[in-house]
Amino acid sequence: DTAVSQTPKYLVTQMGNDKSIKCEQNLGHDTMYWYKQDSKKFLKIMFSYNNKELIINETVPNRFSPKSPDKAHLNLHINSLELGDSAVYFCASSQGWQANTEAFFGQGTRLTVV
Amino acid sequence: KQEVTQIPAALSVPEGENLVLNCSFTDSAIYNLQWFRQDPGKGLTSLLLIQSSQREQTSGRLNASLDKSSGRSTLYIAASQPGDSATYLCAVNNNDMRFGAGTRLTVKP
Repeated sequence: DTAVSQTPKYLVTQMGNDKSIKCEQNLGHDTMYWYKQDSKKFLKIMFSYNNKELIINETVPNRFSPKSPDKAHLNLHINSLELGDSAVYFCASSQGWQANTEAFFGQGTRLTVV
Repeated sequence: KQEVTQIPAALSVPEGENLVLNCSFTDSAIYNLQWFRQDPGKGLTSLLLIQSSQREQTSGRLNASLDKSSGRSTLYIAASQPGDSATYLCAVNNNDMRFGAGTRLTVKP
C-alpha cells in the first residue's frame, strides 16, 4: 500500500526527447509537490499544487510542465530534455499547510539524459 | 525567501555515541518543521514532525527540538547504531517545504 508512488523509477533518454513522470498518492491529500535532487543531493522545490491549482512555481524552465488531472495525481512532463535535467525527481504530498501536516515522499525517479 | 542550513555537513561517530544534528532557518513564521532520513539511492522517510506550537517531539531514540524564535531545530540521536547511517534532512514548512542540504551521518561499528 504505497502512499506516494512514482513511475518510472528509472528513466534513461536522449537529449531532445520529451518524457513524463507520473505521481499518484492514495492518502487523500490536497497538496502535491515536485522536487528535484541534484548531484549534490540538494532537494529543491519545483512546483506545488493545492486542489489541482498551481500554488508554487519556482524558477524552473518552461520545458517543465506539471499537470494535475485530479487531487490524487500530479504528473511532470518535460520537453526537449537537456543533459542538465539529469537528477532524481521526487513527488510528495501533504494535507495542505496546516500545522499538523506531515509530508510523504515517493521513492524518486532517477532521470538520466544522455 | 526561506533559507535552511544544516550543520555539520557530514559527521562520523563510533557506535553508541549520542549526537546532535543542527538545522537553522531564516524565517520564523513556519507552520511546522520535519526531519527526514534518506538512505543512498532511496526516497525520504519521515522521522519527526514538530508543529510550530511545539517545543519537541520524540520517537524512540530520536528527539527533535524546535526554537522558532531563534530559527533553530536540533535532532538528537541517542545510542547511535550503524543502521542510523544515512543523510538526515530538515524541511521547514511555511506555505511550501524548504530543505536544508542535509547532514551525512556515518556510525562506525
